[in-house]
Amino acid sequence: SAVISQKPSRDICQRGTSLTIQCQVDSQVTMMFWYRQQPGQSLTLIATANQGSEATYESGFVIDKFPISRPNLTFSTLTVSNMSPEDSSIYLCSVDKGAPNTEAFFGQGTRLTVV
Amino acid sequence: QKEVEQDPGPLSVPEGAIVSLNCTYSNSAFQYFMWYRQYSRKGPELLMYTYSSGNKEDGRFTAQVDKSSKYISLFIRDSQPSDSATYLCAMTGNTGKLIFGQGTTLQVKP
Repeated sequence: SAVISQKPSRDICQRGTSLTIQCQVDSQVTMMFWYRQQPGQSLTLIATANQGSEATYESGFVIDKFPISRPNLTFSTLTVSNMSPEDSSIYLCSVDKGAPNTEAFFGQGTRLTVV
Repeated sequence: QKEVEQDPGPLSVPEGAIVSLNCTYSNSAFQYFMWYRQYSRKGPELLMYTYSSGNKEDGRFTAQVDKSSKYISLFIRDSQPSDSATYLCAMTGNTGKLIFGQGTTLQVKP
């Protein structure tokens, strides 16, 4: 298994500002994933973060809006930039301990409210 | 049409009942199938995963996959109030990208 610590657990932010979410894993992992879970909706993959290379973004998500860092094999950050109320959501960090991504483990999530 | 369809519920059952949760999917390339449990204000927790068709049992939980019908199920026997949560199905093929269902909210009443 994997223990994932995500910070902050929740935040209320003003529109137009940015928030950086941190994800720390207790072991080295190749790939880390960032998801969004909007109210009443399922999880949507934002991007895949590999150490040493640029993140790979899914359709509908762009680097300018959701810049990601992956400085080492146990840590990643996701920034939600220039926030609007539509960005209010739960953001989840995930790591994969199986192949291919058969045993994904999640952090507890960051509940973001933009006002 | 969504790649994975899951009835959001809510589903309410009495304690001790057998619960059946289901998902259908359209992509025949999916080979790995997972069920996650998500309590309120928590991240999803992996319950079970199966590869290809067949059954897998773990305690009170049984996962079934029918690839010919593109249909997967999770059965919970002797359901408990502590089983009250949202259950998400997820699946992937060789790409490794997980596709999630919408989640079914389950409430088990004492």
